[in-house]
Amino acid sequence: DVKVTQSSRYLVKRTGEKVFLECVQDMDHENMFWYRQDPGLGLRLIYFSYDVKMKEKGDIPEGYSVSREKKERFSLILESASTNQTSMYLCASTGRSNEKLFFGSGTQLSVL
Amino acid sequence: AQSVTQLGSHVSVSEGALVLLRCNYSSSVPPYLFWYVQYPNQGLQLLLKYTTGATLVKGINGFEAEFKKSETSFHLTKPSAHMSDAAEYFCAVRGPGSSNTGKLIFGQGTTLQVKP
Repeated sequence: DVKVTQSSRYLVKRTGEKVFLECVQDMDHENMFWYRQDPGLGLRLIYFSYDVKMKEKGDIPEGYSVSREKKERFSLILESASTNQTSMYLCASTGRSNEKLFFGSGTQLSVL
Repeated sequence: AQSVTQLGSHVSVSEGALVLLRCNYSSSVPPYLFWYVQYPNQGLQLLLKYTTGATLVKGINGFEAEFKKSETSFHLTKPSAHMSDAAEYFCAVRGPGSSNTGKLIFGQGTTLQVKP
């Protein structure tokens, strides 16, 4: 079974903390994505990566950074967490045919 | 810019009734369109997609959608709702210049409630 694995299902952090969200895929996919999901807003793209060490900003990159040192792993970093970053974070990947995104189960982040 | 609008954030139907979830898009290029479903506490799964060719697309679990260019719509239907269909549904369009990356733009989502 193909898999996109997010390291934590629930995470609680304090304002100002540095937060790492990890995502690993086992499908040898080139493209990986980080979305945040908020009620009434759907999914909004934060960052994506189309190759190792390559990244592009999505629609809402402010307050976030990413790292892709290995093909299978894509990390989302909140340099200084704020309460407005409380959200569900979804990682996804797709291969070169890119006709289907595979999603992880999500990380529900609460920033207090 | 490309965008997706889902009409109705919540839809409630009785078991056995027709399901109709509405999606309209805007795109400056021929669109690739998708419907994803999210069951509680899970990630999103692909229900169906339109790329080229036949405008009526069949997906998993008895769902289908029709691409209507003149109406810029891609509504999702199912003839008879099951309790297991209760979930959140997202319409999406492939973003501009994204043929190599698969980047999608999602709608706001529609929560489907199925009543016994």
